[in-house]
Amino acid sequence: AQRVTQPEKLLSVFKGAPVELKCNYSYSGSPELFWYVQYSRQRLQLLLRHISRESIKGFTADLNKGETSFHLKKPFAQEEDSAMYYCALSENYGQNFVFGPGTRLSVLP
Amino acid sequence: KAGVTQTPRYLIKTRGQQVTLSCSPISGHRSVSWYQQTPGQGLQFLFEYFSETQRNKGNFPGRFSGRQFSNSRSEMNVSTLELGDSALYLCASSLMTGILEQYFGPGTRLTVT
Repeated sequence: AQRVTQPEKLLSVFKGAPVELKCNYSYSGSPELFWYVQYSRQRLQLLLRHISRESIKGFTADLNKGETSFHLKKPFAQEEDSAMYYCALSENYGQNFVFGPGTRLSVLP
Repeated sequence: KAGVTQTPRYLIKTRGQQVTLSCSPISGHRSVSWYQQTPGQGLQFLFEYFSETQRNKGNFPGRFSGRQFSNSRSEMNVSTLELGDSALYLCASSLMTGILEQYFGPGTRLTVT
């Protein structure tokens, strides 16, 4: 069975500080991994996918198959990054889709 | 393009009743997925419909069912409601099956009393 864990329920950092949101997964196959974000009073939206290898809003995430991790990083946090972040995993192009419990990021001024 | 829309936005039902929620995907999107979001369990995948067929299903009892119409609109039905079914039900659409890039609706908040 697949499982996605995000060890921190809440992460607070100061503006300008680096931020890392942790995500670990357990899955025996080749996963498709995502980060979704939900800003206050907005819909859940896709932030980035691991296969895209792109940087969105300054965020990057690297898939580490050895450590089964997909941590989300940003070198300099901004106040507008405050939101709920969910790591998610999909197997075999959509055979089930599992979200982690989420981490609330609070960027302090 | 208009985003994913869900109706109704809020609903209050009594235990034992049934409920139908509706989701209209983004124009041109053919896949619709449903999720249940609760404080205790987080976001849980219910099922995915593509071309009017259920393609994937999460681990929910048979009381939860859905369907998709030829215009890709989807409905989700919950029969014999239980208190634990109180949740935010989210619908997401994507261009094709495979749940790769999903676009979420605002959700329907269901309260069971």
